[in-house]
Amino acid sequence: SQKIEQNSEALNIQEGKTATLTCNYTNYSPAYLQWYRQDPGRGPVFLLLIRENEKEKRKERLKVTFDTTLKQSLFHITASQPADSATYLCALLTDSWGKLQFGAGTQVVVTP
Amino acid sequence: DTEVTQTPKHLVMGMTNKKSLKCEQHMGHRAMYWYKQKAKKPPELMFVYSYEKLSINESVPSRFSPECPNSSLLNLHLHALQPEDSALYLCASSQGRARGYQETQYFGPGTRLLVL
Repeated sequence: SQKIEQNSEALNIQEGKTATLTCNYTNYSPAYLQWYRQDPGRGPVFLLLIRENEKEKRKERLKVTFDTTLKQSLFHITASQPADSATYLCALLTDSWGKLQFGAGTQVVVTP
Repeated sequence: DTEVTQTPKHLVMGMTNKKSLKCEQHMGHRAMYWYKQKAKKPPELMFVYSYEKLSINESVPSRFSPECPNSSLLNLHLHALQPEDSALYLCASSQGRARGYQETQYFGPGTRLLVL
């Protein structure tokens, strides 16, 4: 069966450090992978999309890598700030009708 | 305008009530979605509309009835819900192109539903 796995434990990190989150998947061959941020009681907000032929993508302090051989994506927040505290979800598009499958998400807590 | 709006923000209903959730987008997107999200869980897809036609129903109970009156509006009609249906209901939209194109989904803030 298809699975998307993210670290279920919260990631506690000190301000200024780099947070690294992992997304592993099985039984998928996604054309691309997406990362979303979700704050409590709010809808997810799109952050980054990386295609299968891209190794790395950056946006401001965010960096995503995608290894289709390992079936893994890493999401980095550099120079983390308390405002980065949220749950981060990885997602794969599983068909042409727009069915987005989400991982369970990893909560990031950045302390001053 | 890159916003998806949802009303109401909060809804409390009894098991015999009929209510509706509304979602609107003005980004010209042709795909719209309903998700259900329980606490500490990821969003779970319920329905997908593509060009105003229902393209995916993820085996959702018939007490949930979606409607897409036009390309900007999406409704979710609720009837005879159960307490376990209490959750955050999220609407999303995307451009609606075929596989291979970006299908970034833009989410609304959600409706927090409590069924008593």
